[in-house]
Amino acid sequence: EAQVTQNPRYLITVTGKKLTVTCSQNMNHEYMSWYRQDPGLGLRQIYYSMNVEVTDKGDVPEGYKVSRKEKRNFPLILESPSPNQTSLYFCATMGGRDYNSPLHFGNGTRLTVT
Amino acid sequence: GQNIDQPTEMTATEGAIVQINCTYQTSGFNGLFWYQQHAGEAPTFLSYNVLDGLEEKGRFSSFLSRSKGYSYLLLKELQMKDSASYLCASMDSNYQLIWGAGTKLIIKP
Repeated sequence: EAQVTQNPRYLITVTGKKLTVTCSQNMNHEYMSWYRQDPGLGLRQIYYSMNVEVTDKGDVPEGYKVSRKEKRNFPLILESPSPNQTSLYFCATMGGRDYNSPLHFGNGTRLTVT
Repeated sequence: GQNIDQPTEMTATEGAIVQINCTYQTSGFNGLFWYQQHAGEAPTFLSYNVLDGLEEKGRFSSFLSRSKGYSYLLLKELQMKDSASYLCASMDSNYQLIWGAGTKLIIKP
């Protein structure tokens, strides 16, 4: 089954404690991205990757890092989480060469930073 | 600047028709997407429009007017399972998506 898998689904942590949210896809998609979703705001892109070893900043990259060492994985790293990073995070992939290809989202990670 | 506006919340009755509007201002324009998102779940793709006109897919249709910067999603024969948020997103000249905040649709029996 084609899927985008994020882990963990829920995470509660404390300020300053480094964490990684993993994202893995089995669809051989080149494009992967990370979004955060907050009430009253649209999805905001954190980082995206057009292919292996290629990453670019989205709209809200501050406080986040990513890596794309292999096609299937695109982890999101918070080196020193702060309470304003409490949010719902989604990983998304896109296949095909056409930009009108839909995004495939993971099930989300709800992060709480206290 | 780039901007997307859609109503925050709408209420409709089971079996009825509802139209969710979206207006956009995007530098360059490469199409408009609609996604459905049930509470606590991931968004799922509904439609894509890049040319003016109406695209119909079963009970759901999406309309685009490029000259007016306007789109709508039309849902017919509403069912309780259609209760969800509907997200509008435009694609700019760099093929990046600009997302609206979403419209929460409440269906009443």
